[in-house]
Amino acid sequence: DGGITQSPKYLFRKEGQNVTLSCEQNLNHDAMYWYRQDPGQGLRLIYYSQIVNDFQKGDIAEGYSVSREKKESFPLTVTSAQKNPTAFYLCASTPPGVGGEKLFFGSGTQLSVL
Amino acid sequence: DAKTTQPPSMDCAEGRAANLPCNHSTISGNEYVYWYRQIHSQGPQYIIHGLKNNETNEMASLIITEDRKSSTLILPHATLRDTAVYYCIVRDYNAGNNRKLIWGLGTSLGVNP
Repeated sequence: DGGITQSPKYLFRKEGQNVTLSCEQNLNHDAMYWYRQDPGQGLRLIYYSQIVNDFQKGDIAEGYSVSREKKESFPLTVTSAQKNPTAFYLCASTPPGVGGEKLFFGSGTQLSVL
Repeated sequence: DAKTTQPPSMDCAEGRAANLPCNHSTISGNEYVYWYRQIHSQGPQYIIHGLKNNETNEMASLIITEDRKSSTLILPHATLRDTAVYYCIVRDYNAGNNRKLIWGLGTSLGVNP
């Protein structure tokens, strides 16, 4: 079935470590997004990409990096510069044109610091 | 994009209609109202959207007031699986504007047996 796959479901990071969250979609969507969700707060946009090899910072990009080498994949790296990485991370995508207003989300990755 | 105001929580009896309100008094003429829901520890799921006319699909109905300053999402026969956080969002109808969405805290709907 078509959809967005995020892995792993749970991830633990040690101090000073970089970790990468995977996001893969087989929906043939052009645009992809990374959000962070903290308890008691709404979703906040980290990075987004409208097409392959292009991405833009969202509202809270500091301490994160992304790549978009393939249409299907948009991995997020949480670097050691992100001092408060514990959160629920959500990947999303949207189709082009009409329908682009609907976000399709993955099931999320819960990142915790050891 | 305009901001929205929703009650933090609501309860509903199973089998009854759940009516979730949303205020968006600063909505502009080209902004649509979107509803998503998020079941615990999962990603949000699109439900429905509308501009000014009432809309219905297999999941829910959306009632938008004539002045468009508020709307109500209706789940006609709530089930336990409808227990989730429901988000009301307004946005410009343009594929490039998802980056401008403002996600609030939504309404936590509890469906009771």
